[in-house]
Amino acid sequence: GENVEQHPSTLSVQEGDSAVIKCTYSDSASNYFPWYKQELGKRPQLIIDIRSNVGEKKDQRIAVTLNKTAKHFSLHITETQPEDSAVYFCAAPSGSARQLTFGSGTQLTVLP
Amino acid sequence: DVKVTQSSRYLVKRTGEKVFLECVQDMDHENMFWYRQDPGLGLRLIYFSYDVKMKEKGDIPEGYSVSREKKERFSLILESASTNQTSMYLCASTSSGRIYEQYFGPGTRLTVT
Repeated sequence: GENVEQHPSTLSVQEGDSAVIKCTYSDSASNYFPWYKQELGKRPQLIIDIRSNVGEKKDQRIAVTLNKTAKHFSLHITETQPEDSAVYFCAAPSGSARQLTFGSGTQLTVLP
Repeated sequence: DVKVTQSSRYLVKRTGEKVFLECVQDMDHENMFWYRQDPGLGLRLIYFSYDVKMKEKGDIPEGYSVSREKKERFSLILESASTNQTSMYLCASTSSGRIYEQYFGPGTRLTVT
């Protein structure tokens, strides 16, 4: 099955700086990669995803990049704000593509 | 707005008890999932269902079973609760073809003493 590794497990940045979270996957057939954000005490929510036919996707201050050859994808947050503080999970399809395998999560803290 | 609800936010049970966690979604989604969330381990899939009365094991099914008698409801059952099942349990649902867009419930924090 799919194996998703996520780094770093914790990340602290100053407000206004950029943050980058990286994930690797094992199944070369995987073709979409979502990112979820979980604020403290709340449920995870999808914030962005990328398909295998594009190398980069942007949505305001967040962007995702995908390197299919190296089998890794990354989440980039620019001009970080305190409300970006949360746990971020990457994921990749697995099994019969009816399920997702999640990474272990990154606790992002944006320091004022 | 998709709504996924779970029967309890907090639950305390004793070792050996049978525990039922219920999840209900109101968007007519075909697929429903049960995860457990533990610090440093992310979201691990216990079981999922892609249709009524259908179920498939996830990555950590041992000690758990599930039931899906109606499309909107997916139950997780701990036959004999143990202390290592103390965790946050999250239910999710999604429509077929949009597996990447899972809608999560608020979670149930289960403590087994």
